[in-house]
Formats: sequence, C-alpha cells, structure tokens
Amino acid sequence: DTEVTQTPKHLVMGMTNKKSLKCEQHMGHRAMYWYKQKAKKPPELMFVYSYEKLSINESVPSRFSPECPNSSLLNLHLHALQPEDSALYLCASSRGGGAGELFFGEGSRLTVL
Amino acid sequence: GNSVTQMEGPVTLSEEAFLTINCTYTATGYPSLFWYVQYPGEGLQLLLKATKADDKGSNKGFEATYRKETTSFHLEKGSVQVSDSAVYFCALSPQGGGSNYKLTFGKGTLLTVNP
Repeated sequence: DTEVTQTPKHLVMGMTNKKSLKCEQHMGHRAMYWYKQKAKKPPELMFVYSYEKLSINESVPSRFSPECPNSSLLNLHLHALQPEDSALYLCASSRGGGAGELFFGEGSRLTVL
Repeated sequence: GNSVTQMEGPVTLSEEAFLTINCTYTATGYPSLFWYVQYPGEGLQLLLKATKADDKGSNKGFEATYRKETTSFHLEKGSVQVSDSAVYFCALSPQGGGSNYKLTFGKGTLLTVNP
C-alpha cells in the first residue's frame, strides 16, 4: 500500500473547468513534489515544496497552481487547461532535500476535453 | 548537466530468464543512483539505490552495483517472473544533498515477462 494518497484517481474536465488534485502523506516528510508523466515517458518535475514553501517551479504555465496548506497536504489547482495537459499527475514526498528517495502516489489520470 | 542513459526497450523475456537493463550516467562527483519501477496503472516505487562507489543495492532479487569507473548502474535479476513486468527507470540525484531536489530520470525500459 502506498503511503502517499492521491485523489481523484481519474478526472475528466473541459477546458473552461476549474478542478483540483489532492495529495496527502503522513510519513512526516518535509518535501513534496508534483510530477507530470505522459505515456511511455519518464516523470517531469513541475513543483517542489520544502517545509511548506515553494522551492522549485519548473517554469510551469500559470494554469497550474500549486498549494501546500500544511506539511501533510499538497494540492494542484487546475484552470483553463489544454488537451495537451492530459497526463498522469504524480505526487511524491521525501524526508528532505537531496536524498533522491521519493515516495510516489499512484497518480491522478487527467483527461482534458 | 546531469544525464542518464538506459537501454531502449521494450525487453521481452520468458519466465526464469536472466535480466540485465543497462544504465550509464553523466554527472560530476558522486551522485546517488536509483532504480525505480512502475507497474501498470501505478506510480513509481523505489526498487533499490546506491549512494557511493562500489555500493550494491538489492531488493526483491534485483541487484545493481555503482561503478564509478564506468559510470554505470546496471540492473540485474537472475530469474525473472511474470510479476516483474513493468517499466524500469534509472535515476540519479546530484552529489551534495542540501536543497537539491531534482532527480534526473532515464527514459525508462519496458519489461514484459511471458509465462
């Protein structure tokens, strides 16, 4: 069983919708991540939060808006997405920075119509 | 910059066959090296890791040895099972730790094991 929980598992939205992806971990990890994964590709880093502060934004379009309400929760707010944003969105956490040992959730599969 | 090159797939094997997936890297100093596995419909899981030269990571019958002289971290398993069918990603984390959160992934290798 994964210790990083993501909801929803599947999401279909239109280009004018506003939706959110949620991620939760209770391992006491202090870094949390959003990755985007297209089919048959490796994950691409989008955002990193460290100690609840945004530390990395990989030049992600503003239609993706991350939020870290507390050390256990991570949200990704979605607005005015494009069909090419359809992908698997993975949340991950780690104890801290630099170790590289990430714990991933099962992902939220997003389809933009 | 850092990079990871792993063998192109897909790889198709019969059950109980020997598996090798090659991985080489480019990075300064002594990065940490990882193999992650992604089963169908799931997120990635850490399979094994090595943090210094000559370290051997092992888990679930898989092994990989950190070879600094050849900048390699090849994944091996002596006898694969159908349940090993998945995509395998080699990855590195730069030396130094601190606030460097970026993993560099290889492109992934799809393994299919037939009964």
